Amino acid sequence: KQEVTQIPAALSVPEGENLVLNCSFTDSAIYNLQWFRQDPGKGLTSLLLIQSSQREQTSGRLNASLDKSSGRSTLYIAASQPGDSATYLCAVRGMTGANSKLTFGKGITLSVRP
Amino acid sequence: GAGVSQSPSNKVTEKGKDVELRCDPISGHTALYWYRQSLGQGLEFLIYFQGNSAPDKSGLPSDRFSAERTGGSVSTLTIQRTQQEDSAVYLCASSLLKTGELEQYFGPGTRLTVT
Repeated sequence: KQEVTQIPAALSVPEGENLVLNCSFTDSAIYNLQWFRQDPGKGLTSLLLIQSSQREQTSGRLNASLDKSSGRSTLYIAASQPGDSATYLCAVRGMTGANSKLTFGKGITLSVRP
Repeated sequence: GAGVSQSPSNKVTEKGKDVELRCDPISGHTALYWYRQSLGQGLEFLIYFQGNSAPDKSGLPSDRFSAERTGGSVSTLTIQRTQQEDSAVYLCASSLLKTGELEQYFGPGTRLTVT
């Protein structure tokens, strides 16, 4: 059974700092990995999707990497801003059919202090 | 274009009542997923529909939970005889499995409170 872990559960940093959010998963047989952002009381916003054959994806100040063999992904946020404060969720998708559901970590709640 | 929509956005119900939650996926998306987000539990998979195939119900927590998808589009998640532990945000996602990326797009969720 796939398990996704995100540690720490919460993180507080000063504005402007570069930071790395970690995600680990137990079963390397994944189709892709997604990073999501969730604001309080809101739904999920997809940030980056990395296919299993890819090593990284970039969007603006965000960069996500994937090391499938070691079961790890990182989300790098450059020059953090107070508006980045949210919960960041990592999710992995199984290979096919009935396994195509996403398995989520419990998220990292990020607070960026002005 | 329109994203995934869910209704109602909030639902408060008394313990023991039945509730129905609705999901309208992105037009043309063949796959539809229901997830539940509870305090302290994170997001957990409930059920998956793909085209005309039998749904994958492996995530449903009890037989009080059921879901339908009519005409390969709209889906309804029904919870019978609601319990307080059913209180959560119920999220729906859809995906176009014919594309290479297979990204799942999420709706805003329905917040269910059982009193």
